Amino acid sequence: DTAVSQTPKYLVTQMGNDKSIKCEQNLGHDTMYWYKQDSKKFLKIMFSYNNKELIINETVPNRFSPKSPDKAHLNLHINSLELGDSAVYFCASSPRGSGREGEQYFGPGTRLTVT
Amino acid sequence: ELKVEQNPLFLSMQEGKNYTIYCNYSTTSDRLYWYRQDPGKSLESLFVLLSNGAVKQEGRLMASLDTKARLSTLHITAAVHDLSATYFCAGSNFGNEKLTFGTGTRLTIIP
Repeated sequence: DTAVSQTPKYLVTQMGNDKSIKCEQNLGHDTMYWYKQDSKKFLKIMFSYNNKELIINETVPNRFSPKSPDKAHLNLHINSLELGDSAVYFCASSPRGSGREGEQYFGPGTRLTVT
Repeated sequence: ELKVEQNPLFLSMQEGKNYTIYCNYSTTSDRLYWYRQDPGKSLESLFVLLSNGAVKQEGRLMASLDTKARLSTLHITAAVHDLSATYFCAGSNFGNEKLTFGTGTRLTIIP
């Protein structure tokens, strides 16, 4: 009964490779997000989708491309990986119009290591 | 643009003591959240504060919001070891759902 799941949990790859991270939520939420947590634990929004439509696109290199095939899934594809992409990537989802408006539920994270 | 600052960054305290983590934000924030993160784990939602003067309590943790001072606090009462974690505050505004996080406070409770 996992609410927000991500695969893989760990990803080790070499510079220049292309990789994808997948996210699925079974909460029936409309909005999904990608956040990056760097080595100093700082969390920053990357993207947000609402019902498959991109609504937030922060200043992220265009090597990062999110894709939402349906409102329960939000994947993140990264081209030409660089050392600085090493981080933990969290997927999150949130409902609209609930009592705890905007509360985001986070997935377990994907630790990406680029060597 | 909303900016969120937390202090302290690191906090080491003895079991049984009380302490407060502070979260200041730069512009209007319609909602203020507190999250907990254990090492290597995900973020767990603790509190959602929606209005000025809001106070919420869960166990030994109590969060409050003062929108006029642009300040939220997380108060820990009679700390116990299992409260050791990193605590984040985050703000967001209606119509823009992204969370802007503070730097986090790494709390260590010493027996």
